[in-house]
Amino acid sequence: DIVMTQSPLSLPVTPGEPASISCRSSQWLHSNGHNHLDWYLQKPGQSPQLLIYLGSNRASGVPDRFSGSGSGTDFTLKISRVEAEDVGVYYCMQTLQTPYTFGQGTKLEVK
Amino acid sequence: QVQLVQSGAEVEKPGASVKVSCKASGYTFTRYAMHWVRQAPGQRLEWMGWINGDNGDTKYPQKFQGRVTISRDTSATTAYLELNSLRSEDTAVYYCARDPGIAAPYGLDVWGRGTTVTVSS
Repeated sequence: DIVMTQSPLSLPVTPGEPASISCRSSQWLHSNGHNHLDWYLQKPGQSPQLLIYLGSNRASGVPDRFSGSGSGTDFTLKISRVEAEDVGVYYCMQTLQTPYTFGQGTKLEVK
Repeated sequence: QVQLVQSGAEVEKPGASVKVSCKASGYTFTRYAMHWVRQAPGQRLEWMGWINGDNGDTKYPQKFQGRVTISRDTSATTAYLELNSLRSEDTAVYYCARDPGIAAPYGLDVWGRGTTVTVSS
């Protein structure tokens, strides 16, 4: 199985400041012109919601302060200016091969 | 609007089976795939499989082979997850999630609210 490793696991951020989350995969995720890597945010008490799909595509309705980048085995989710509503746990997920697997999650809190 | 409405919480004994439903509305059911993902207390999300909403093809992780069945009823626009031989480690919140990529994943863009399954003697 492809192992997904995120860092940091905890991320305290001051509102208005940028934030960055790293996701590393144990295998190359680039295939057929796409990076098969998605990002999700699970807000407290809610279901996960899609932020970024195929590495760098923002999902519908996602603010443009969120961006995804990277290729191969190293990926990054960036928030240009953190807002209070961004708190929760962020997960990366690889969809290159089954079983699709998630990172362990990064908990973002606002200072 | 697009919605996935899941069935209510279940409490089962070890060795029993559970079947969770996911009623879709607001979109053409057969043009999307449906995934099932679970989250055990304090654990990361875990993918349990998916079904092609059009032809019913399924794919499961090796870990759950023989224990999990994902099915659909297109007339009822409902997907189902059935898990057999339950054990305490299956205690989790089970989510269904829609995928526009019917042949290959394209991001799980709509999620149900989750169904809590508790396995306890």
